[in-house]
Amino acid sequence: DIQMTQSPSSLSASVGDRVTITCQASQDISNYLNWYQQKPGKAPKLLIYDASNLETGVPSRFSGSGSGTDFTFTISSLQPEDIATYYCQQYDNLPRTFGQGTKVEIK
Amino acid sequence: QVQLQESGPGLVKPSGTLSLTCAVSGGSISSSNWWSWIRQPPGKGLEWIGEIYHSGSTNYNPSLKSRVTISVDKSKNQFSLKLSSVTAADTAVYYCARNYGYSYGRKLYYFDYWGQGTLVTVSS
Repeated sequence: DIQMTQSPSSLSASVGDRVTITCQASQDISNYLNWYQQKPGKAPKLLIYDASNLETGVPSRFSGSGSGTDFTFTISSLQPEDIATYYCQQYDNLPRTFGQGTKVEIK
Repeated sequence: QVQLQESGPGLVKPSGTLSLTCAVSGGSISSSNWWSWIRQPPGKGLEWIGEIYHSGSTNYNPSLKSRVTISVDKSKNQFSLKLSSVTAADTAVYYCARNYGYSYGRKLYYFDYWGQGTLVTVSS
C-alpha cells in the first residue's frame, strides 16, 4: 500500500493567515492526489483533484501543488468557515489511501 | 445532482455480518463510474473499503478483502456492502461515494459525491 503522511496533524491560525499543509507519499504517485475537507458530522468534500485542480464552486483561496512524493495544500487567507479536517488521498495505486488528516482551528 | 443514501442496521453483534445499502438517485449506477465504500472510526481518519463497477467488477482493500463483499443491483440503482466476522474495531461511520474518473493513459479519479454516512456500532 502507498502510505500518505500529512503534517502537521493539527494547527491553529488566525483569520486571514496563510495556512499550509503537506502530504508525502511513500512512493512516486505523479500528480495522482486529491484533497478533501471534512467538517464535523459531515461527509468529506472534494476541494482539489489531480494535485492542483480546483473543484467547481470551491473558493479560489484553496490551492494545491506538487508532484511525485511531495504535495502542498494552501489556504491563502483562512476564513472562519474553513475550520475542518483536511485529507489528502492518492489514486495512483489500489488500495486508494488517505492521509491521517490535518485539523485546522482558529486561534 | 447525484445523491447517495446509506441504509442498514446501526447495531451489529460481534462475529456477525454488517450489511449496508447505498441508494443512488439523480444519476444511473450504470454510468461510467466506480462506486465505493469508505469508513471512518470515531475520531479517526478515512479508510477505503472497496469499489464496484456496474458490470460487477470489484476492487477491495487487501486489509479487509477476506471479509468484504460489494455487490450491485442495477434494477434498484443501488449497491451494497457486506462485512463479515465483525469486531469492535469495525465500529465506524460508513460512507458510500461515487468514484468519478477514468484511466486512459493518464488517470483521474476522485470521490465527488458522498452519502451522509451511517454509524454502525459493533456491540453485544
